[in-house]
Amino acid sequence: KAGVTQTPRYLIKTRGQQVTLSCSPISGHRSVSWYQQTPGQGLQFLFEYFSETQRNKGNFPGRFSGRQFSNSRSEMNVSTLELGDSALYLCASSLEGQGISGNTIYFGEGSWLTVV
Amino acid sequence: AQKVTQAQTEISVVEKEDVTLDCVYETRDTTYYLFWYKQPPSGELVFLIRRNSFDEQNEISGRYSWNFQKSTSSFNFTITASQVVDSAVYFCALASALSTPLVFGKGTRLSVIA
Repeated sequence: KAGVTQTPRYLIKTRGQQVTLSCSPISGHRSVSWYQQTPGQGLQFLFEYFSETQRNKGNFPGRFSGRQFSNSRSEMNVSTLELGDSALYLCASSLEGQGISGNTIYFGEGSWLTVV
Repeated sequence: AQKVTQAQTEISVVEKEDVTLDCVYETRDTTYYLFWYKQPPSGELVFLIRRNSFDEQNEISGRYSWNFQKSTSSFNFTITASQVVDSAVYFCALASALSTPLVFGKGTRLSVIA
């Protein structure tokens, strides 16, 4: 079956702009999580959505937001981009959610964001 | 607080050598799950294995094997007869049963030289 699909794969934005990234989870999966990966901080959790509700949120400023649609697809938005937002943004999907019954968590290929 | 430590930042081996990637974790939960992921240059995190805290059996899958020891809070990963295609960054991660996010180690970059 199809894996986790993220779009766009690569994008370049200017400081101050905003960006929207999209994630389509594996069919049947209801949980979508987002992670930011940078060389300095490694992989950090942004938020998790389950059945259109944010269930968990990491320690990121309010400029980072997300949502989930009824078909489980998710988007994340970063407003007023800063140079430090340059990163690989990874989306993960699982059946019921992170940590629940040890659900296996599958990741997409990520969206490479460069802020100039 | 949960924490995962991968002390080896980079490892370089010659093809066909065996290599072990170390992972040490910290958690106060009695039920938790440990994962290993492989990240090739493309960026995708490829799932390798999930281990439950109540199952300490070691596991072997082809050239891959995992050694889980609760007594030392370690979940080490061994690649036998390494190949160039094994070159990637490998991440160990921890999740509790309480719907908390995955906590990742900093990763170990493995380079297998032909």
